[in-house]
Amino acid sequence: QKEVEQDPGPLSVPEGAIVSLNCTYSNSAFQYFMWYRQYSRKGPELLMYTYSSGNKEDGRFTAQVDKSSKYISLFIRDSQPSDSATYLCAIKNTGFQKLVFGTGTRLLVSP
Amino acid sequence: KAGVTQTPRYLIKTRGQQVTLSCSPISGHRSVSWYQQTPGQGLQFLFEYFSETQRNKGNFPGRFSGRQFSNSRSEMNVSTLELGDSALYLCASSRGDSQETQYFGPGTRLLVL
Repeated sequence: QKEVEQDPGPLSVPEGAIVSLNCTYSNSAFQYFMWYRQYSRKGPELLMYTYSSGNKEDGRFTAQVDKSSKYISLFIRDSQPSDSATYLCAIKNTGFQKLVFGTGTRLLVSP
Repeated sequence: KAGVTQTPRYLIKTRGQQVTLSCSPISGHRSVSWYQQTPGQGLQFLFEYFSETQRNKGNFPGRFSGRQFSNSRSEMNVSTLELGDSALYLCASSRGDSQETQYFGPGTRLLVL
């Protein structure tokens, strides 16, 4: 079993839709949760960073962590064609710099 | 503030050769981590350097090695290249505190023929 599971997609939505991206993880020791966006042939760009359970909002993006279910989500409101990219969830233990990544979900937002 | 820079951006090598990749972290960041990204395995952690010392290591063979200099710049070396080493190699930097997240560079795309 992989430490982090993520549906690879692709997920196709029309412009303006609300997008929900999700990951599950297996190790309850993980404390830090991140979402990265990666455009084709580019490095991952940090979108959201949360610690422990709860919600965090930044503009059109909301990250949600449910540690009891080992489930993390990223919501994108009013999705735009420029949001078309691969979204990677990543988790980390306290005391370690090693990030464990999901496989990434490819998102396509059509005009 | 300048971001993470990696050189070269693209490389083509043949099997059996060795390669050295370079990473300059964000100013003030002392931790540099290296990751390999392939379509089949996704993003996998190679190792992390902090203050010139390897602090964490992933599950890669000894052909993969690295080092960090006193100015926090880091290099990664792969010896005796194999076809399966073709990948995007990403460098990420952070201040090094365990609560800090990492910021990635654009990557070096390595093709082994």
